[in-house]
Amino acid sequence: EAGVAQSPRYKIIEKRQSVAFWCNPISGHATLYWYQQILGQGPKLLIQFQNNGVVDDSQLPKDRFSAERLKGVDSTLKIQPAKLEDSAVYLCASSLVQTNTGELFFGEGSRLTVL
Amino acid sequence: GQNIDQPTEMTATEGAIVQINCTYQTSGFNGLFWYQQHAGEAPTFLSYNVLDGLEEKGRFSSFLSRSKGYSYLLLKELQMKDSASYLCAVNEDNYQLIWGAGTKLIIKP
Repeated sequence: EAGVAQSPRYKIIEKRQSVAFWCNPISGHATLYWYQQILGQGPKLLIQFQNNGVVDDSQLPKDRFSAERLKGVDSTLKIQPAKLEDSAVYLCASSLVQTNTGELFFGEGSRLTVL
Repeated sequence: GQNIDQPTEMTATEGAIVQINCTYQTSGFNGLFWYQQHAGEAPTFLSYNVLDGLEEKGRFSSFLSRSKGYSYLLLKELQMKDSASYLCAVNEDNYQLIWGAGTKLIIKP
């Protein structure tokens, strides 16, 4: 079974530039998450999708971050414009279960460095 | 408010046993997860406890006491490959996952 795919693995940009990350979840997983993980900290939920609908985006900085999940499968996360504090690993995860009671399967992450 | 506490770092010796504690204060509770995260890699699932008690899975065991807001992960027969961060995450009533900052475990020969 293929895992969660993410790209790019690494991205370096200057502040005020834009960046986009892509995620393809495990086939059949209706729930998709985007997390931000700063070095030495636990993952912070940015947005949670159920199929192509948003379940929770309360911690997404909507002035600069946006995410979509077209057709309930692939998802993209965009940052525009980037700030220095956005330097982090962006983890995509998917789950078969809808209510956070099941295992989350994580992708390898996209490491963003903002200079 | 929501709070999950874990020790920042622990050191143990290869072949020994180590217990990583997690205490939580959340508005609700629907289960507690433990994940392992090697440096530079994604978290991987270890265990999920909903009821009080100890659940054993090979060298790893996880314990939960809901009344005390407390869990621990017990690792036996430590191996060098167990060097990683261990993340505790609580499933709240509104089905939000609250993550701890993780415990970095260092295994020495």
